[in-house]
Amino acid sequence: GAVVSQHPSRVICKSGTSVKIECRSLDFQATTMFWYRQFPKQSLMLMATSNEGSKATYEQGVEKDKFLINHASLTLSTLTVTSAHPEDSSFYICSARRFRGVLLNEQFFGPGTRLTVL
Amino acid sequence: TQLLEQSPQFLSIQEGENLTVYCNSSSVFSSLQWYRQEPGEGPVLLVTVVTGGEVKKLKRLTFQFGDARKDSSLHITAAQPGDTGLYLCAGDSGAGSYQLTFGKGTKLSVIP
Repeated sequence: GAVVSQHPSRVICKSGTSVKIECRSLDFQATTMFWYRQFPKQSLMLMATSNEGSKATYEQGVEKDKFLINHASLTLSTLTVTSAHPEDSSFYICSARRFRGVLLNEQFFGPGTRLTVL
Repeated sequence: TQLLEQSPQFLSIQEGENLTVYCNSSSVFSSLQWYRQEPGEGPVLLVTVVTGGEVKKLKRLTFQFGDARKDSSLHITAAQPGDTGLYLCAGDSGAGSYQLTFGKGTKLSVIP
């Protein structure tokens, strides 16, 4: 159990286009999902917290108008990179929190999406 | 801001050797997770520890949560090449945001 899928796994796009990445929890409901960005040989950098039915909470320095997040259901969150530029090229990873009690905060990660902007 | 200091940052050992990775903080965490990540993939949850002093074993991997819930360790016995990867510790402050604080990771290479 606790499987999270992410689609697409790889995407190459031209500068100025928008790219949508989907994150799905396949066998559990996730009221909270998270979007991370990871640079080569580095740890994960939290971009935003996505809550089902409400607006996402963005970390400092992350442009909410550039990285649009929609958490329309208990199993799906989407990240849209608008007007992508080469500096947005990165590995984007989502995670979904499975609720198993207030004190237990387990997050399960998707396989990641490699975005390359030409 | 909570910080998790993870050490060592890099570790290269021979197959069959033992190793320990440490995760330390001055802050208390309500729970702490260990993940392993391979290149080009998302992190995979290995274990969650919740209780101070807790010890969990997963085959050759032993995880310990400090009594004060500020630190944790991962010990691997008789490392295998398949253990190669990036090991990440992540702590939850329990503040209600459910955000995890990640360590910078330990890149482990096990040489056959």
